[in-house]
Amino acid sequence: KQEVTQIPAALSVPEGENLVLNCSFTDSAIYNLQWFRQDPGKGLTSLLLIQSSQREQTSGRLNASLDKSSGRSTLYIAASQPGDSATYLCAVQAGTALIFGKGTTLSVSS
Amino acid sequence: GAGVSQTPSNKVTEKGKYVELRCDPISGHTALYWYRQSLGQGPEFLIYFQGTGAADDSGLPNDRFFAVRPEGSVSTLKIQRTERGDSAVYLCASNIGGGDNEQFFGPGTRLTVL
Repeated sequence: KQEVTQIPAALSVPEGENLVLNCSFTDSAIYNLQWFRQDPGKGLTSLLLIQSSQREQTSGRLNASLDKSSGRSTLYIAASQPGDSATYLCAVQAGTALIFGKGTTLSVSS
Repeated sequence: GAGVSQTPSNKVTEKGKYVELRCDPISGHTALYWYRQSLGQGPEFLIYFQGTGAADDSGLPNDRFFAVRPEGSVSTLKIQRTERGDSAVYLCASNIGGGDNEQFFGPGTRLTVL
C-alpha cells in the first residue's frame, strides 16, 4: 500500500530564507507527483506536477525534484516571503486517486 | 469563474441527518473525484467518475455514502445517517479524461456533524 510522508510537519523561517520541504513515498511505481498549497480553510492550489519520466519542474521561485528510485521528492522555495505561509501537500498518483501526505505547515515571518 | 465550485461552503447538521454536497466541475472535464480531508490529515480518495458512471468507488467508507453524476457534469455526494466522525472537509476535483492528467480542486465543503 502506497504511503506518503512529509517532513518536517511544521517549519518556521524568517523572510528571505531559501528552504526545502521533503516528501517520501513507499512505492516507486507512480504516474506522477504533485505539490499543492493549502491556505487555512481553503481548497488546494496546484503548484507543480512532475510526471514519472521527469526529474524536476520549476515555476517562479519554486523548484520540485523527483527521484523515483529512492521514493523522494523535494520542493525548494527560494527567497521565502510571508505570503508563502501555508500548508504544502505532496501527492502521488499510482492509480485513479492521488495519495496525499499530511503536509508541511510553513510560516514565514517578516 | 472557470474553476471547480462546491456548495455549500459550510454545512452544520445533527447526528443522524441526511446531507447532500454539490460539486460543479470545470466545463468540459469528463472526470470528477471526491476526497475527504479530516483535521490535520491529507485528503483521502472517496470516489471517481468518468462521465456519468462511478469508475472507482473503492474509497467510500461504508454504505451510508453515495454519489451520483446523472448528466456527466454536476455531482452530488450524499451521506445518510450522519455520524460525528463524518465531520471533515469534502473536496471535489476534476480533470480532462482522468488518467494521470492534473486534477484541479474546488474550495471544499466543511461538514460539521453535531
